[in-house]
Amino acid sequence: DGGITQSPKYLFRKEGQNVTLSCEQNLNHDAMYWYRQDPGQGLRLIYYSQIVNDFQKGDIAEGYSVSREKKESFPLTVTSAQKNPTAFYLCASSIAGGRNEQFFGPGTRLTVL
Amino acid sequence: GQQLNQSPQSMFIQEGEDVSMNCTSSSIFNTWLWYKQDPGEGPVLLIALYKAGELTSNGRLTAQFGITRKDSFLNISASIPSDVGIYFCAGYGGATNKLIFGTGTLLAVQP
Repeated sequence: DGGITQSPKYLFRKEGQNVTLSCEQNLNHDAMYWYRQDPGQGLRLIYYSQIVNDFQKGDIAEGYSVSREKKESFPLTVTSAQKNPTAFYLCASSIAGGRNEQFFGPGTRLTVL
Repeated sequence: GQQLNQSPQSMFIQEGEDVSMNCTSSSIFNTWLWYKQDPGEGPVLLIALYKAGELTSNGRLTAQFGITRKDSFLNISASIPSDVGIYFCAGYGGATNKLIFGTGTLLAVQP
């Protein structure tokens, strides 16, 4: 089955620790995205990548970092510099960058204790 | 970042009723997407619209791309309990290639 997987589903971390969220896709999509979702708000773009070894900051990139070493994988690191990291994180992909339909993974809920 | 105005914020209806929700933007959009999100899950794409005036159906769901290109509408006919969730509009507009999301409409269906 083709799709997007995110792991883990739930993640807990202590304040001051970095944590990495996994996102993998087997759709052969070129573009991948990370969004953050908070209650009562729309999705906000953290980072996106249109091609391997290249990525751009979204609207709320501060305190986050990414890498894109493989087409299938786009991990997100939430660093200790992120002031309010508790949120639901969603990964998406599209066939190419630009104005294409985006397809989402199941999400990871991160809670900072 | 820019967000779309989506209304209503929430709807509480009886099973079998029809539902309408809409999304407006202050600028012209050239693609509209409608997603549904179940609690604790990622959004699922329902309908994609690419041309002003376009009307597209997916089962009991029908969406329209407004002719002004600044709005879009989603209708659900004969609602059922599994329609419960949050519905998001999203679109591409202006010079940016970033997908912009509405704030969502929470739909509750009472059996």
